[in-house]
Amino acid sequence: GNSVTQMEGPVTLSEEAFLTINCTYTATGYPSLFWYVQYPGEGLQLLLKATKADDKGSNKGFEATYRKETTSFHLEKGSVQVSDSAVYFCAPSLVGYSTLTFGKGTMLLVSP
Amino acid sequence: DGGITQSPKYLFRKEGQNVTLSCEQNLNHDAMYWYRQDPGQGLRLIYYSQIVNDFQKGDIAEGYSVSREKKESFPLTVTSAQKNPTAFYLCASSIVGGGPREQFFGPGTRLTVL
Repeated sequence: GNSVTQMEGPVTLSEEAFLTINCTYTATGYPSLFWYVQYPGEGLQLLLKATKADDKGSNKGFEATYRKETTSFHLEKGSVQVSDSAVYFCAPSLVGYSTLTFGKGTMLLVSP
Repeated sequence: DGGITQSPKYLFRKEGQNVTLSCEQNLNHDAMYWYRQDPGQGLRLIYYSQIVNDFQKGDIAEGYSVSREKKESFPLTVTSAQKNPTAFYLCASSIVGGGPREQFFGPGTRLTVL
């Protein structure tokens, strides 16, 4: 069936380290793909998105590329900051569903 | 500014009482959603509505009820039948059409049942 898998956290990094959070999905068709971020005690905010194969979404130094061949949408950032500490959710828009399918979330902790 | 408001931010209730969480949006979105989030957990869909006067159960609707009398409003009632109501509740909205669309979230309501 349709599903989304995110790497488990927490991911613990030092400031200025490189970040990768993996996200893969199983689906038919060409879903739109989203990454959301949730800061402590807040709602979710859209971080970036991609709507077709090979598209690269980017925002605030974060990037993710829509890889149709591997059904993946991994989130990357070249140099993380303490302020990036949050929970990140991958959310594909899967065919046949009425709402986005959210991954379980990956907590990122960045230390100075 | 357009957005989604949820009130209150923190809510305390005694066990056995019903409680209603407010969600209002001025984005002119047709669809609205309620999610529940428990510590260290992802989002679980409670109810959603794609049009006024219509709504569907999500994955964990038992013990909850909703109404959609106005496009802007989608209140959630946590009833005494909900066994573990203490959680963080998130409301969201989106446009409708062409499959699931980008959702915009409110700031959430943290409900604690004593």
